[in-house]
Amino acid sequence: AIQLTQSPSSLSASVGDRVTITCRASQGASSALAWYQQKPGKAPKLLIYDASSLEIGVPSRFSGSGSGTDFTLTINNLQPEDFATYYCQQYNGFPLSFGGGTNVEIK
Amino acid sequence: QLVQSGAEVKKPGASVKIPCKASGNTFTRHYIHWVRQAPGQGLEWMGVINPSGGSTSYAHKFQGRATMTRDTSTSTVYMELSSLRSEDTAVYYCASGDDWLSHMFYWGQGTLVTVSS
Repeated sequence: AIQLTQSPSSLSASVGDRVTITCRASQGASSALAWYQQKPGKAPKLLIYDASSLEIGVPSRFSGSGSGTDFTLTINNLQPEDFATYYCQQYNGFPLSFGGGTNVEIK
Repeated sequence: QLVQSGAEVKKPGASVKIPCKASGNTFTRHYIHWVRQAPGQGLEWMGVINPSGGSTSYAHKFQGRATMTRDTSTSTVYMELSSLRSEDTAVYYCASGDDWLSHMFYWGQGTLVTVSS
């Protein structure tokens, strides 16, 4: 089973900042990695799939990169609506798995 | 769209069957994954069903206790979890994917299941 480790588990940032979240896989996940945003009381929302493809309708300030075992989600020019929890998910093999989440808070 | 039912309260040892109704004409085109989230915790994948043929794949942790089925006449997928215990208290989400191994591009609103005596 592929285990995903996200870092940091939480961070504080200001509007306009650039934020980087990393996701490390315990074994190779190829490019089969997605990123989700979740706000309190809401279902997760897909942001990025196939490691770097932007989901339709997601602002271009979100970007993803990486392959194999190391992946990154970058948010440029952080906006007030971006304060949320972010999860990575691998779909290279069963069982599908999620990272532990990164909570992005307002500084 | 994926529409889920309202909250459920169950006693330990009981079962819960959660529906997930798909709207539109894409019911048999997309796989339905089930993901749960305990209070204040992260996301946990439970399994997936192919609504077209009804075949399933479960996370090892839920094999024997979770059953995913579908009713093509109502475009509804069900996830039944048996022998409930307090640790099963969580929000249960259904989500659409393109394949067995897939990201999840659309999510239902979630169903809160509370297990309490």
